[in-house]
Amino acid sequence: GEEVAQTPKHLVRGEGQKAKLYCAPIKGHSYVFWYQQVLKNEFKFLISFQNENVFDETGMPKERFSAKCLPNSPCSLEIQATKLEDSAVYFCASSHWSNQPQHFGDGTRLSIL
Amino acid sequence: DQQVKQNSPSLSVQEGRISILNCDYTNSMFDYFLWYKKYPAEGPTFLISISSIKDKNEDGRFTVFLNKSAKHLSLHIVPSQPGDSAVYFCAATGPSGAGSYQLTFGKGTKLSVIP
Repeated sequence: GEEVAQTPKHLVRGEGQKAKLYCAPIKGHSYVFWYQQVLKNEFKFLISFQNENVFDETGMPKERFSAKCLPNSPCSLEIQATKLEDSAVYFCASSHWSNQPQHFGDGTRLSIL
Repeated sequence: DQQVKQNSPSLSVQEGRISILNCDYTNSMFDYFLWYKKYPAEGPTFLISISSIKDKNEDGRFTVFLNKSAKHLSLHIVPSQPGDSAVYFCAATGPSGAGSYQLTFGKGTKLSVIP
């Protein structure tokens, strides 16, 4: 598609439950990026992919967080055993090549109760 | 340690006048800079970018200036329109070819254009 599509828009989970977020990048884009916006205006990089391969995972918490980009499927970000501090808006972005502008989806708001 | 700083949380400008949004960075390895506009409950929308080999890039009403020696960039919007009211984020990445293209964002400046 012409836009980065993120689902769901809003996800509510109880503390300790699993959360799974999805992202369909713009068709033809090879790079996918995940960012976490915890406080209103602070973006934190999590992980990036080049096609289905992890490109940079330096921002990913070592425990509980995992991500995949499989061929012919939306990319996913999964959080196991969620904590209150995981409450945030998670943005996905894609770009055609590595150092071109990243185009963002509208985010998934994750609320941990 | 904040590597990209937008020191003005907010800015109000009269419609038709120029809006100037500023951004400073500390990491001298950054070599590609971008501006994004964000409305509430939406994702950031790419506006304009500039490579470190240039000092100016223009696209319609938007111009970005880069001063590498001062580690400073600015976004000029002329003329400002009420629809420009949004939060503007400065972002940086680099070094190119080093294997990571993650964006480092500033905290944003909320622009209000008054009709």
